[in-house]
Amino acid sequence: DIQMTQSPTSLSASVGDRVTITCRASQFISTYLNWYQHKPGKAPKVLIYASSTLQSGISSRFSGSGSGTEFTLTINSLQSEDFATYYCHQGYRTPYTFGQGTKLEIK
Amino acid sequence: EVELVESGGVVVQPGGSLRLSCAASGFKFDDYMMHWVRQVPGKGLEWVSLVSWDGGRTEYADSVEGRFTISRDNSKNSVFLEMHGLTTEDTALYYCAKEGSGGSCLDGWGKGTPVTVSS
Repeated sequence: DIQMTQSPTSLSASVGDRVTITCRASQFISTYLNWYQHKPGKAPKVLIYASSTLQSGISSRFSGSGSGTEFTLTINSLQSEDFATYYCHQGYRTPYTFGQGTKLEIK
Repeated sequence: EVELVESGGVVVQPGGSLRLSCAASGFKFDDYMMHWVRQVPGKGLEWVSLVSWDGGRTEYADSVEGRFTISRDNSKNSVFLEMHGLTTEDTALYYCAKEGSGGSCLDGWGKGTPVTVSS
């Protein structure tokens, strides 16, 4: 199975900051890497798909990059509504797998 | 707008069985692969299973292979998860999700249905 490793697993930042989350795959996954935002009591929401494509309706403050095994999610100019848990997810080969999550908290 | 509504989650004893349902609307259901994803309380997301648009292909996580069965009824815009041999480790919030067109992303999610396995 392909293991997805996110870092950091928790992150404290302030409104207006820029943050970067990294996701590493244990095997080559091309650009089959997606990023989700998840808030308590809500359904997860896709932010970025295919490594770098912004999902319709998502703020351009979110961006993604990478290919192969190394990927990043960057959030520019953090807003209060961005504080949530973020997951990477590989859709390259089943069983599909998620990273363990990065909890973004307000400093 | 995509809407997915899960149902069927209850409290069940270890070794028991359960069938989850997911009713879909707002998109052409039989064009898309559908998934189940779960979240154990306090833990991260875990992919569980997928079914192709026509039901001809199914895949499972190692942790549920042989115990869970995914299926769909395109005439009813519904996807199901039949679960057997439940253990306490299957206690989770189960989400139904629609696969999108890029990167095998999951671009539509329900709010989940809770399954508790407890004696």
